[in-house]
Amino acid sequence: DQQVKQNSPSLSVQEGRISILNCDYTNSMFDYFLWYKKYPAEGPTFLISISSIKDKNEDGRFTVFLNKSAKHLSLHIVPSQPGDSAVYFCAASDLSGYSTLTFGKGTMLLVSP
Amino acid sequence: GAGVSQSPSNKVTEKGKDVELRCDPISGHTALYWYRQSLGQGLEFLIYFQGNSAPDKSGLPSDRFSAERTGGSVSTLTIQRTQQEDSAVYLCASSLLQGELFFGEGSRLTVL
Repeated sequence: DQQVKQNSPSLSVQEGRISILNCDYTNSMFDYFLWYKKYPAEGPTFLISISSIKDKNEDGRFTVFLNKSAKHLSLHIVPSQPGDSAVYFCAASDLSGYSTLTFGKGTMLLVSP
Repeated sequence: GAGVSQSPSNKVTEKGKDVELRCDPISGHTALYWYRQSLGQGLEFLIYFQGNSAPDKSGLPSDRFSAERTGGSVSTLTIQRTQQEDSAVYLCASSLLQGELFFGEGSRLTVL
């Protein structure tokens, strides 16, 4: 039973446009969400996070939106750049203790020039 | 180095052999995690060490898998009697703060 779902395995976007990556979760105990980015042959790297007390967190070109009632979050990249081409993983945990992160299957983003 | 270090980066083994994968976390990080990524799958949690507490082994897929962390630092993941379905990239991560994991580059295991 997947608790974190990324239903789009891939996404293609033109350079300069907005990339929107979506993530849904089922566990209502999750209250801390992260996005990781992974290039081939490298480990995932932390990108941005959001806790449940907020509905938006912005860091440069990257913004994460959280809709708790819908159990949905999204990552917006504006403007998209070819160097953003990578696999993006959504992850969630609860802050009640040192719980582990539960990851989605990832979405491969391809930004074409 | 400053990051999480894993070895070997690639390992090819025959079915039935044992393998050991090593992880050297970031100095001072109290938490250490093992995940694996099989082809077409997300990151699957395997085991988690936090300080001197008993490890959370809830993600280990079978009793052929075990891990230890010596002296609160280096960790070794051992897979006994490897099977073809064990083929995956095994990722180690460490953290100081809740939630923000720093990953190594992974060990790619291929079981023939």
